[in-house]
Amino acid sequence: DGGITQSPKYLFRKEGQNVTLSCEQNLNHDAMYWYRQDPGQGLRLIYYSQIVNDFQKGDIAEGYSVSREKKESFPLTVTSAQKNPTAFYLCASRLSSGYYEQYFGPGTRLTVT
Amino acid sequence: GESVGLHLPTLSVQEGDNSIINCAYSNSASDYFIWYKQESGKGPQFIIDIRSNMDKRQGQRVTVLLNKTVKHLSLQIAATQPGDSAVYFCAENPVMGNDMRFGAGTRLTVKP
Repeated sequence: DGGITQSPKYLFRKEGQNVTLSCEQNLNHDAMYWYRQDPGQGLRLIYYSQIVNDFQKGDIAEGYSVSREKKESFPLTVTSAQKNPTAFYLCASRLSSGYYEQYFGPGTRLTVT
Repeated sequence: GESVGLHLPTLSVQEGDNSIINCAYSNSASDYFIWYKQESGKGPQFIIDIRSNMDKRQGQRVTVLLNKTVKHLSLQIAATQPGDSAVYFCAENPVMGNDMRFGAGTRLTVKP
């Protein structure tokens, strides 16, 4: 089955700890994205990557970091500098820019206490 | 900055009725639009898309209308079913751009 996987589904961390969220796709898509979703809110773009070894900041990149060492993988690290890290995190991929939709993973719900 | 938004945050309809969800966009450079459906605790799912050279596109029970003059997008769901209950997002993307922007979403509730 082709698709996007995110793991884990639920993640709990103590304040002050860095945590890395996994995102893997086997769709052979060039572009990958990370979004944050707060309760009752829309999707806010954190980072995106159009190609391996390259990525750009989205609207709310502060306190987050990413890497794109492989086409299939785009992990997101939530650092201790992120003031309000508790949220639902969604990863998406897309064939490339242009008339192509994004495919979303199932999401990771991160709770930091 | 320019953004995508929605007129109504919630919509409640009777099963079997038609639903209309609206979206306003302000980026005149946007030329590709998508509607997504998100069920609770899940990732958004693609419903239908439309390019700016079209005014209307139909899918199975869904129709998207695009009015470029007033920068307005709508999603029509025919014979709404309980399984249609979800949050619906519109998204816009300028083809030359690398990111896609999402509206705040509308929660659709279908009453049996």
